Amino acid sequence: DQQVKQNSPSLSVQEGRISILNCDYTNSMFDYFLWYKKYPAEGPTFLISISSIKDKNEDGRFTVFLNKSAKHLSLHIVPSQPGDSAVYFCAASATGNQFYFGTGTSLTVIP
Amino acid sequence: DTGVSQDPRHKITKRGQNVTFRCDPISEHNRLYWYRQTLGQGPEFLTYFQNEAQLEKSRLLSDRFSAERPKGSFSTLEIQRTEQGDSAMYLCASSAWDRELTMRRDGYTFGSGTRLTVV
Repeated sequence: DQQVKQNSPSLSVQEGRISILNCDYTNSMFDYFLWYKKYPAEGPTFLISISSIKDKNEDGRFTVFLNKSAKHLSLHIVPSQPGDSAVYFCAASATGNQFYFGTGTSLTVIP
Repeated sequence: DTGVSQDPRHKITKRGQNVTFRCDPISEHNRLYWYRQTLGQGPEFLTYFQNEAQLEKSRLLSDRFSAERPKGSFSTLEIQRTEQGDSAMYLCASSAWDRELTMRRDGYTFGSGTRLTVV
């Protein structure tokens, strides 16, 4: 039972353009969300978080949007850079203890 | 502090053997988590500790798996009688548990993982 879904396994974007990665969830009790980036042979690296009391959080080139009614969140990267090429995971939690992860979206930023 | 350390990075073992992995969390983090990741999937929660207490275990953690954090610092994950289906990346993460702190940039910090191959 996949409670967090990333329906796009891959995404290619030109350098300098916007990358939009999407994530959907099914559990309405989820109230805290994370985005992670993962390079091959490394553990996931935390990018940005958002709690359900907000609908937007920004950190530099990264912005996460949360639409609670649609149970949808998205990560925007502007401008995209070749170093952003990695697999991106979204994760959600209802308790802050156990996080449920999506299956990831592989982003390729083309120079 | 260099972050979350996991040892070994890679482990190849024969089916039926026991294996043990170690995780050293960030020193000021009181929570430690174990996740498992297989190819094409996101990390799946296994268990977590607050200090030395194991507070939650996933149904994925069969009786062949045991995790300990005896002094509330490093943790070990042991798999007994390994099976080929145990082949995966085992990830450890730590956090400073405080609802407000988890909202900060830190979030969870993951280690680089231990890749287990059972042949």
